[in-house]
Amino acid sequence: DIVMTQSPDSLGVSLGERATINCKSSQSVFNSFNSKNHLAWYQQKPGQPPKLLIYWAFTRESGVPDRFYGSGSGTDFTLTISSLQAEDVAVYYCLQYYRTPWTFGQGTKVEIK
Amino acid sequence: QVHLQQSGPGLVKPSQTLSLTCAISGDSVSGKSATWNWIRQSPSRGLEWLGRTYYRSQWYNDYADSVKSRITINPDTSKNQFSLHLNSVTPEDSAVYYCGRGGSDYDNWFDPWGQGTLVTVSS
Repeated sequence: DIVMTQSPDSLGVSLGERATINCKSSQSVFNSFNSKNHLAWYQQKPGQPPKLLIYWAFTRESGVPDRFYGSGSGTDFTLTISSLQAEDVAVYYCLQYYRTPWTFGQGTKVEIK
Repeated sequence: QVHLQQSGPGLVKPSQTLSLTCAISGDSVSGKSATWNWIRQSPSRGLEWLGRTYYRSQWYNDYADSVKSRITINPDTSKNQFSLHLNSVTPEDSAVYYCGRGGSDYDNWFDPWGQGTLVTVSS
């Protein structure tokens, strides 16, 4: 199985400041057939299912604010919130969909400092 | 717009079978543009993909090794829904269970998700 490891486990950021979440996969999730990284990011708030933010490592889902952006390739990926808003307080997860079983990171909790 | 609505009991006795249903609107369980997945979330195991069913001229299933001997995911074309059956449950199977739509080819992220069902395994 591909193991997804996120860092840090939790993060306190001041409003308007940048939040950076890292996700590392135990093997590359880059697919040479379509030249894409099979990596998605989700946001989850209490009592809700995860919400898709980004897929193909950096493609923003429709309606997601442009302060959220994804980067990285191969085994190392980053989700950045460029200017943290109060409504961004949540737990964030990465997901690899390169090879079954699809696997998630353990989550990173983002709070206001 | 695709919407998934889950139903099923929130309490299951140990050794019995956990059964949940996910009703689909805005798409077809037998369409060739999607896969239909079950995922669970618990404090001890995090988010865990359990398996999927999908139709590509015939029905296919994939299951996670962690539950492979105990799980069945079935489509119901007459009701446009799919179900999860997990037998011989233990308290370790207590979790929030979600259904989710995956893509048809390489685009296997999950979107949308059902609302979630908290299942407790307890006598």
